[in-house]
Amino acid sequence: RKEVEQDPGPFNVPEGATVAFNCTYSNSASQSFFWYRQDCRKEPKLLMSVYSSGNEDGRFTAQLNRASQYISLLIRDSKLSDSATYLCVVILTDSWGKLQFGAGTQVVVTP
Amino acid sequence: DTGVSQDPRHKITKRGQNVTFRCDPISEHNRLYWYRQTLGQGPEFLTYFQNEAQLEKSRLLSDRFSAERPKGSFSTLEIQRTEQGDSAMYLCASSPKQKNTEAFFGQGTRLTVV
Repeated sequence: RKEVEQDPGPFNVPEGATVAFNCTYSNSASQSFFWYRQDCRKEPKLLMSVYSSGNEDGRFTAQLNRASQYISLLIRDSKLSDSATYLCVVILTDSWGKLQFGAGTQVVVTP
Repeated sequence: DTGVSQDPRHKITKRGQNVTFRCDPISEHNRLYWYRQTLGQGPEFLTYFQNEAQLEKSRLLSDRFSAERPKGSFSTLEIQRTEQGDSAMYLCASSPKQKNTEAFFGQGTRLTVV
């Protein structure tokens, strides 16, 4: 079983619509959570951290559900430039150097 | 450009040859990571350094793989006796001491073993 699992998609989203997707993690000792964004043939870049209370950054909202061991990302008012693969990342309590990535969820925003 | 720099960007090698990649992290970042990514997958952790010390190494890293960071600055990743299964994008990342959970990635070295 993979440590971090994501729906690969693609999620085809009309411009201006809202899209949301989840990521599940298997290890309850997971301590820190992040969403990274990766454009085609580019390196991953940090999108946002995910806090226990949930957090928002502009059109992006991240939530953490520790009881069910998943995190979510919601994108409002989707832009064409939001088309990318969104990678879920967790860090275990006893392994602070190791960012564990999911396989990514592809989002395609269409005009 | 003060980002993470990787060299070469592309490498094609014959099976059985040795290859070495270099990573220059962002200046003063004390942590340096190596990841491997194949098509349709997320980056897989290989190893990481804190300054010059190699603190963790993945079980994915066979004896043919070795990484060094001799002076706590740049790092090299060597693959000996390459196999076709080694074909992948090798990504290096670094993070600052103050916020070591935020990793900044280089553009990667794409390795093709023929």
